[in-house]
Amino acid sequence: GQQLNQSPQSMFIQEGEDVSMNCTSSSIFNTWLWYKQDPGEGPVLLIALYKAGELTSNGRLTAQFGITRKDSFLNISASIPSDVGIYFCAGQEGTTDSWGKLQFGAGTQVVVTP
Amino acid sequence: DAGVTQSPTHLIKTRGQQVTLRCSPKSGHDTVSWYQQALGQGPQFIFQYYEEEERQRGNFPDRFSGHQFPNYSSELNVNALLLGDSALYLCASSFVQRHEQYFGPGTRLTVT
Repeated sequence: GQQLNQSPQSMFIQEGEDVSMNCTSSSIFNTWLWYKQDPGEGPVLLIALYKAGELTSNGRLTAQFGITRKDSFLNISASIPSDVGIYFCAGQEGTTDSWGKLQFGAGTQVVVTP
Repeated sequence: DAGVTQSPTHLIKTRGQQVTLRCSPKSGHDTVSWYQQALGQGPQFIFQYYEEEERQRGNFPDRFSGHQFPNYSSELNVNALLLGDSALYLCASSFVQRHEQYFGPGTRLTVT
């Protein structure tokens, strides 16, 4: 099963509002990735994080690698209708036998109303 | 630049049958990973192939097997299908030394 706890499960926001979601793990990760998935499609990579404390932006999206290395956060500023979708966090533990194995959260469903 | 492609898009099989899914990685990528995504859940790691060998495996039974070809494309085989194998099967490609994985559109498998 999944070891990542992603919250909130869903968000209903108005266009123009900011969105925040987070992901926590029970073990230390050396990589955090954030993906967006639209219905009937595969996940699309949004942001990749590699160092504790790292803050990275991609347009209106900003993600942070938590200092404890057990959490990560994603913020979306000034939401627009095309931000609708499911956002997944994914991480990789810092052990040799975990190389290449991404663990995913259960996703945050974002709904944007005009 | 072609992204990750998968075939077929949809597939319907009967319990007990066998299925083969195919994946072509993003141009230049040498590593392919397979994931199973049940409805309403995040993807679950099945296994990863590099240099035509399985180098990592998740908690999936031996009924799930794979192959990688010299051109880096890959196949996922599932034997003795169960109803619970119904899911979206995702292929992701990457460079062996990088953790960013890029996903294809998936194959929707329905077992009846």
